[in-house]
Amino acid sequence: DTGVSQDPRHKITKRGQNVTFRCDPISEHNRLYWYRQTLGQGPEFLTYFQNEAQLEKSRLLSDRFSAERPKGSFSTLEIQRTEQGDSAMYLCASRTDRVHTEAFFGQGTRLTVV
Amino acid sequence: AQSVTQPDIHITVSEGASLELRCNYSYGATPYLFWYVQSPGQGLQLLLKYFSGDTLVQGIKGFEAEFKRSQSSFNLRKPSVHWSDAAEYFCAVGARLTDSWGKLQFGAGTQVVVTP
Repeated sequence: DTGVSQDPRHKITKRGQNVTFRCDPISEHNRLYWYRQTLGQGPEFLTYFQNEAQLEKSRLLSDRFSAERPKGSFSTLEIQRTEQGDSAMYLCASRTDRVHTEAFFGQGTRLTVV
Repeated sequence: AQSVTQPDIHITVSEGASLELRCNYSYGATPYLFWYVQSPGQGLQLLLKYFSGDTLVQGIKGFEAEFKRSQSSFNLRKPSVHWSDAAEYFCAVGARLTDSWGKLQFGAGTQVVVTP
């Protein structure tokens, strides 16, 4: 399977715990995006990388959130001290630098904070 | 402020009937335009995209969309729906001129229910 891969698919955690999600983009894609989708809403942009450089962060990304892409390949999104409001689907997408190309999405990680 | 509006939260359509989903955007310049579909608990699959050129765009699964600059709209259509088309549909826009154009802004989605 050469699509965008996210792990885990589901995560249940207690409030206050830290969680980390992983995204493996399509191998030749140097741009990687994280989105958050809450129930009944469209995805909202969180942050994106070009290779290993994090180029933009949304104001939605509080200081409890951090994302990395250390070698320009896979990326991790960590949430510290989780809150119930963090419960959402976290989506990763990737694309190439070529113009007129679309982003391909992974199947997401569903986070439930109890 | 930039925005993407999908006026219909929920649409019910009979199998075999036609479907049209509306999308309006407010943007400083004509953005890149996309329609994605999401099945329950799944990620997003691209149906079609508009970058430039012909304003009637053909996509996968028999879908098409028409870009109307004067109306700032990009409505999605399908002549005859199948039960497998039941899903949530998202319109999305990406800023054309910036380096971060791949960053997408999504509408709230339209849930499509297909009845026998």
